[in-house]
This record gives sequence, C-alpha cells and structure tokens, in this order.
Amino acid sequence: AQSVSQHNHHVILSEAASLELGCNYSYGGTVNLFWYVQYPGQHLQLLLKYFSGDPLVKGIKGFEAEFIKSKFSFNLRKPSVQWSDTAEYFCAVNAWNAGNMLTFGGGTRLMVKP
Amino acid sequence: DTGVSQDPRHKITKRGQNVTFRCDPISEHNRLYWYRQTLGQGPEFLTYFQNEAQLEKSRLLSDRFSAERPKGSFSTLEIQRTEQGDSAMYLCASSLAGREGLRNEQFFGPGTRLTVL
Repeated sequence: AQSVSQHNHHVILSEAASLELGCNYSYGGTVNLFWYVQYPGQHLQLLLKYFSGDPLVKGIKGFEAEFIKSKFSFNLRKPSVQWSDTAEYFCAVNAWNAGNMLTFGGGTRLMVKP
Repeated sequence: DTGVSQDPRHKITKRGQNVTFRCDPISEHNRLYWYRQTLGQGPEFLTYFQNEAQLEKSRLLSDRFSAERPKGSFSTLEIQRTEQGDSAMYLCASSLAGREGLRNEQFFGPGTRLTVL
C-alpha cells in the first residue's frame, strides 16, 4: 500500500524567507505527484503536479517542486514567502496500479509572519 | 460558479441518526470521488465513481457508509446510525478521465462538516 509522509507539521517563517516542505512517499512503481494548498476557510486547490518529464515542476504563485525518484521525494519550495502563503499544504500521490485513489500526507501548516 | 459544490456545508446530528450529503461535480467531469478528513490529518479516500459505476468501494469505512451516483451526475454519501467517530469533514472531488487514463487532476469541493453529538 502506498503512503505519504510530511515530516514538518507546523512551520513558522517570516516574510521573504525561503520555504522547503518535505514529502516522501512509499511506492516502488510509477506515480503521479501533487501538492494541494488549503487557505484558511477555503477548499483544497491544486498547487502543482508531476506526471512525467522534467522532474522540476513549477506551479502557481511562485511555488515549485522537485521529484527525486531515488529518494522517493517530492519537496515543495518557494524562494521568498509572503504573508498570503499562510495555509495548510498537502502532498498527494496516485500510484498507477491504485486506480484513481489519491493518498495524502498529513499536511503541513505554514504560518508566515508579516 | 462552475466548481464542485457540496450540500449541506455543515451538519449537526445526534448519534444514531442517518445523514446524507450531496455532491455536484464540475459538469463535464465523469469521475467523482469521496474523501474524509479528520482534524489534523490529510484527506482519506473513501470511494469513487466513473459515470454511474462505483469502481472502488473497499475503502468505505464500514457498512454504515454508502454512496450512489444514479445518473452519472450528482452523488450522495449516506451514513447510517451515525457515531461520534464519524465527525469529520467529508470532501467530494471530480475529474475528467481522458486518454491519459490515470493522469487526471482532481478538483475538490468545499466539504461538508459533520458533527455527531
């Protein structure tokens, strides 16, 4: 069975600091990878996705993520965070033999101090 | 608004009562998913439909949970004989399955927050 780990449960940063949120998954086959964001009071929104090709993917709002297959990782990065990035971030995996099920990590709650 | 909608947004019920939630997917989407999210956790997959066919239901939490999508459009999730442990956010998502098969992006609704007293 596939599983997803997000090691940082809570992160507090000041504006303009750099961000990196870790995501590791356990599954040996082909995967699709996603980062979703949930702003306060809003529903889950897709931030970025990886299906194949260039392992460095760029998403909305200046976010990017790098797929490192050998490390089973898909870490999320942003060079300079803003107060408006305060939200909860979820990494998700869809394994190719697991139908259409998305397996989510436990989430990382990010607070950006102005 | 052309996104995924869910109704009601909040439901408070007493233990032992039955509840039903509705999800309206994005209109051209043929796949519909249900997830459950408890406090401090990520969403947990429950079941999904392609058109009106329920293709995966082994992840439904117990036989008290059931879902339908009778005409391949909206879906309902029913919980019978609710228990306090059923208190959670129930999320619906939809996607469009195309030639790329599993490479589909799921769009989420706002969720229904269930509180069982």
